[in-house]
Amino acid sequence: EVQLVESGGDLVQPGGSLRLSCTASGFTFSSTWMTWVRQAPGKGLEWVANIKQDGSEKNYVDSVKGRFTISRENAKNSLYLQMNSLRADDTAVYYCAMGWGIMGWGQGTLVTVSS
Amino acid sequence: DIVMTQTPLSLSVTPGQPASISCKSSQSLLNSYGKTYLYWYLQKPGQSPQVLIYEVSSRFSGVSDRFSGSGSGTDFTLKISRVEAEDVGVYYCMQGAHFPTFGQGTRVEIK
Repeated sequence: EVQLVESGGDLVQPGGSLRLSCTASGFTFSSTWMTWVRQAPGKGLEWVANIKQDGSEKNYVDSVKGRFTISRENAKNSLYLQMNSLRADDTAVYYCAMGWGIMGWGQGTLVTVSS
Repeated sequence: DIVMTQTPLSLSVTPGQPASISCKSSQSLLNSYGKTYLYWYLQKPGQSPQVLIYEVSSRFSGVSDRFSGSGSGTDFTLKISRVEAEDVGVYYCMQGAHFPTFGQGTRVEIK
C-alpha cells in the first residue's frame, strides 16, 4: 500500500522560509516521478512542482518559480520542498503525491504565512 | 497551460440516482503514443484526495464499479451509476498531458 507522510508545515512570517519533507513507502520511490500539490483554504487543488526519478528534471508552476525548490533523496525514500520568500498567498495544505499523473496522495501538511 | 473546465460546479443527487460530471480541456490530451492522461479524484470532507479513475477510463484499485470514466480528445465525463451517501465530496479532473492542471472541482451532495 502506498504511504506518503508529509511534515514540516508551520506558521511563518511573510518573507520567511520553510522546508517540507515527505517520506514514501509501499512503492519503488526511485522509479517514480514525485509531485507537490497545494490547496489554499476553501479552494481547489493546484499543482506546484514535480521531479523526475533521478532528480535531473524539475518543473514548477509559474507562481513559485525562483522561490521554491523541489528535491529528492532516493536512498531515504524522501521528497522535499524548500520554500523561500513566502507570501500570504502561499498559505495552503501541501500534499506530497506519487507520479506525474497522480496515483497516490499524502495526508497533507499545513503552511500558514502570516504576520 | 492547459485549462480544465468542469461542469456543473455543484450537484445535488437523490440516493440511488445517477450523476454525471463533465470536464473539458483547452487542448487535446492525446499524446503521440496514443495515451490520454486524464484523471479523476474525489476529496471527501476533511480528507486528502483519492484516485478514482486514471487514463480516462481505468478504475483505480478498490474503486466501486459504480464509477466510470469516458471521453477522448478534449471532452471527458465521470459517471456515478447510483449515488450513495459515501460519494459526497468534491470531484476533480486533472490532465497529465503537459504540466498538470486541475479542474475547479464539482461539489456533490445528497438530497
